[in-house]
Amino acid sequence: NAGVTQTPKFQVLKTGQSMTLQCAQDMNHNSMYWYRQDPGMGLRLIYYSASEGTTDKGEVPNGYNVSRLNKREFSLRLESAAPSQTSVYFCASMERYSNQPQHFGDGTRLSIL
Amino acid sequence: AQSVTQPDIHITVSEGASLELRCNYSYGATPYLFWYVQSPGQGLQLLLKYFSGDTLVQGIKGFEAEFKRSQSSFNLRKPSVHWSDAAEYFCAVGASGGYQKVTFGTGTKLQVIP
Repeated sequence: NAGVTQTPKFQVLKTGQSMTLQCAQDMNHNSMYWYRQDPGMGLRLIYYSASEGTTDKGEVPNGYNVSRLNKREFSLRLESAAPSQTSVYFCASMERYSNQPQHFGDGTRLSIL
Repeated sequence: AQSVTQPDIHITVSEGASLELRCNYSYGATPYLFWYVQSPGQGLQLLLKYFSGDTLVQGIKGFEAEFKRSQSSFNLRKPSVHWSDAAEYFCAVGASGGYQKVTFGTGTKLQVIP
């Protein structure tokens, strides 16, 4: 019953540092997503991967890169962290062309000093 | 482009009272609609979803929502609120087909008082 697993759960970075957020799903879903959640703004899509081998920008992609490593894993990289990227990051997955909802991980709480 | 509006940022209700959280959406065709709940420090949990058929949808934890096409609304209701319902609630709209882009509202925080 793992579903969507995100690592790490918490991280503190200094401005300019880089890091990669990991996401893995065990539901054999085709589509995977990265969102950020900020107070009063709901969830905003950063990048998504409709299927293995493809990635596309969402609403707020600047400052981020992604890699769809295989069908299970979708990572989010911050090359040079900025305080504006302090947020809670959620990964989600979904079966493409289905009427099923997205499944979410528990989030990564990232603070950039 | 699809969008979701949750007009109430914060709602306070007494335990045992009824609850209605408002959600209005904008989408050109028949939308996929969702309500999620998020407890503090947790991820999002799906409460219910609407794709087609009966416009009154039953979900988990005693919640229900009604799809009203004429009003572009998908309001969430519960007849009697429990203290454990205190959380943040998100309405979302999805486009059919393709990778199914989902757009979230800004959320409504529910406070339950004794």
